[in-house]
Amino acid sequence: AQKITQTQPGMFVQEKEAVTLDCTYDTSDPSYGLFWYKQPSSGEMIFLIYQGSYDQQNATEGRYSLNFQKARKSANLVISASQLGDSAMYFCAMRGFTSGTYKYIFGTGTRLKVLA
Amino acid sequence: GAGVSQTPSNKVTEKGKYVELRCDPISGHTALYWYRQSLGQGPEFLIYFQGTGAADDSGLPNDRFFAVRPEGSVSTLKIQRTERGDSAVYLCASSLGLGAGEETQYFGPGTRLLVL
Repeated sequence: AQKITQTQPGMFVQEKEAVTLDCTYDTSDPSYGLFWYKQPSSGEMIFLIYQGSYDQQNATEGRYSLNFQKARKSANLVISASQLGDSAMYFCAMRGFTSGTYKYIFGTGTRLKVLA
Repeated sequence: GAGVSQTPSNKVTEKGKYVELRCDPISGHTALYWYRQSLGQGPEFLIYFQGTGAADDSGLPNDRFFAVRPEGSVSTLKIQRTERGDSAVYLCASSLGLGAGEETQYFGPGTRLLVL
């Protein structure tokens, strides 16, 4: 079975500082993908960044980077130079590639508040 | 181009009634997913389609829930004999395909269902 764990219900960060949102996962699938989504108060889920399990380098996308540690089964999101508009819920998700199903599993999310 | 659209944006119904929720995916996306999101939780997988067929419906909570995608584009989630516990935001997402490099999901704004 696949599982995503986000242990930080809420986080605060000062504007312009960096913040790390934690995500650990569990899967028996040898090949999988890890995703981060942002959900502002408006409700729409916005794709941020993707990491494949066989990617050699950590993914980066603008101010977002994914700290992927395969042996520890963690895929933490790092947001650099936080902005007020980064305040939102953040969800980590996973999908396997070889288990015969392509459904996604989401974590419970972390609510980030950026302080001015 | 246009993103994923969902209608209605809000739906209020009475216990025991039938409802239909519609999702229009991004043009050219072959995979379509339905999720249910309760307050303070991450999206919970319901069903996904590849083309016209439901590839995995293991997340549907019971036989009151059913979804179709007859022409491989628009999908309808149908809920019979609604119960108060069905109240949630129903999210739809689509992806280009299911394979590596195609699997990033893009979400619609959701339908907020309230069962009185």
